[in-house]
Amino acid sequence: DVKVTQSSRYLVKRTGEKVFLECVQDMDHENMFWYRQDPGLGLRLIYFSYDVKMKEKGDIPEGYSVSREKKERFSLILESASTNQTSMYLCASSWGQVINTGELFFGEGSRLTVL
Amino acid sequence: GDSVTQMEGPVTLSEEAFLTINCTYTATGYPSLFWYVQYPGEGLQLLLKATKADDKGSNKGFEATYRKETTSFHLEKGSVQVSDSAVYFCALMGGEGSTLGRLYFGRGTQLTVWP
Repeated sequence: DVKVTQSSRYLVKRTGEKVFLECVQDMDHENMFWYRQDPGLGLRLIYFSYDVKMKEKGDIPEGYSVSREKKERFSLILESASTNQTSMYLCASSWGQVINTGELFFGEGSRLTVL
Repeated sequence: GDSVTQMEGPVTLSEEAFLTINCTYTATGYPSLFWYVQYPGEGLQLLLKATKADDKGSNKGFEATYRKETTSFHLEKGSVQVSDSAVYFCALMGGEGSTLGRLYFGRGTQLTVWP
């Protein structure tokens, strides 16, 4: 079974702190994604990556950055956390362009609270 | 651009009732359409999909038919169970010319089924 693992299920941080959310997948997927999920707003794409060291902005990249140094790992970074970044963060992965079926495999999510 | 609009929730039903969750889309070309489900405390998982007009996706008693003429992909189930209580997301992957592998999600519909 495909497994997407997010390092922390729950985090509490203070305003201004630097926050790292880690995501690892074990299926050699080319594509990886970071979404945030908020009630009434659904899933919004923050960043995605099609390959190592490649990244593309999604719909709401402001206040975030990402890193993909290895194929299996995709990190989301909040340079200076703010209260409006309190949310559930979901990581997902999928096959690359050649055999892409549109199926995303999601982690269980990381619920971040910024005080 | 590509987008998905789905029925606002929450939806509350009694066990064995009939379920419909409406989903309509806007896209260029010939998108693929998906329904994802998120059970409490878990990440999203693919429920069913359809890749071309008139296709019917089905899984676990749920069905949805890709209707190009009405740009719709409504989710149905004839007899819901308590275990179907979850959040349901309609999603779209664009056709030719779009970013392959990127999904656009609706806002989600919370379904609660009472015994």
